[in-house]
Amino acid sequence: KAGVTQTPRYLIKTRGQQVTLSCSPISGHRSVSWYQQTPGQGLQFLFEYFSETQRNKGNFPGRFSGRQFSNSRSEMNVSTLELGDSALYLCASRQVGLSYEQYFGPGTRLTVT
Amino acid sequence: TQLLEQSPQFLSIQEGENLTVYCNSSSVFSSLQWYRQEPGEGPVLLVTVVTGGEVKKLKRLTFQFGDARKDSSLHITAAQPGDTGLYLCAGARSGNTPLVFGKGTRLSVIA
Repeated sequence: KAGVTQTPRYLIKTRGQQVTLSCSPISGHRSVSWYQQTPGQGLQFLFEYFSETQRNKGNFPGRFSGRQFSNSRSEMNVSTLELGDSALYLCASRQVGLSYEQYFGPGTRLTVT
Repeated sequence: TQLLEQSPQFLSIQEGENLTVYCNSSSVFSSLQWYRQEPGEGPVLLVTVVTGGEVKKLKRLTFQFGDARKDSSLHITAAQPGDTGLYLCAGARSGNTPLVFGKGTRLSVIA
C-alpha cells in the first residue's frame, strides 16, 4: 500500500498571502488529521476529518481551515499568513477503530517571509 | 500545560550504550504510541500499547505502558547511530479524541 502523500513538500510564501496544502491518505483510511510542528511547540493538533466532516478541532485561529473530499483526500488552507505560521505541516491518516494508530506523511515545510 | 511530558529532552550517547526515555502524564490514556522522526520527514509509528503493564519489544527497543495507563517508557539496548532521531510519545484518551503528543526526546548516537 502506498503511504500518506503530501504536496507540495516545500513552500515559501509572503505575509498576508494564503496557502493550500494537500494530503492523500493511505487507501482505505477515512480519517485524516492535520498537525503543525514547530521547534518550540512541538506537534500541535489542527483538525481531524472523517467522512468529509470535521470531527475534532484544535486551538488554532479561524485562519486555519480544512476540508475532506469524498475520496478521503484532504486539504488545509491558511489565510492571511503570518511569520509565526512557518512550520512543518503534517497530515496523518488512520482507520477509525479502537486503536488510534496514525500514519504520517512527509510533511509540507512552509516558510513565511 | 503539556499533557504528556517527555524526558529527557535531549540525549547524546556513545554507540553501544543503553538508554531509557520517559513519557509521563497525570491523565489516563486508552492507548499510547511511540514514533520516531528524522529531520525533514514525518513521524514513523514504532509501536502502540493499549493494556496497562504491557511490554512490547521491537528488536533492541522495549516499550512499556504503565499499570495505570498514565505513563510509558522506551528502552533502547546497545544504541546504534541509526537510532538517532526525535522520539515522540502520543496518547489517545479515547478512539474519538485527538492524539496528544509529547514534545519529544532528541537522541543522538555517536559512533
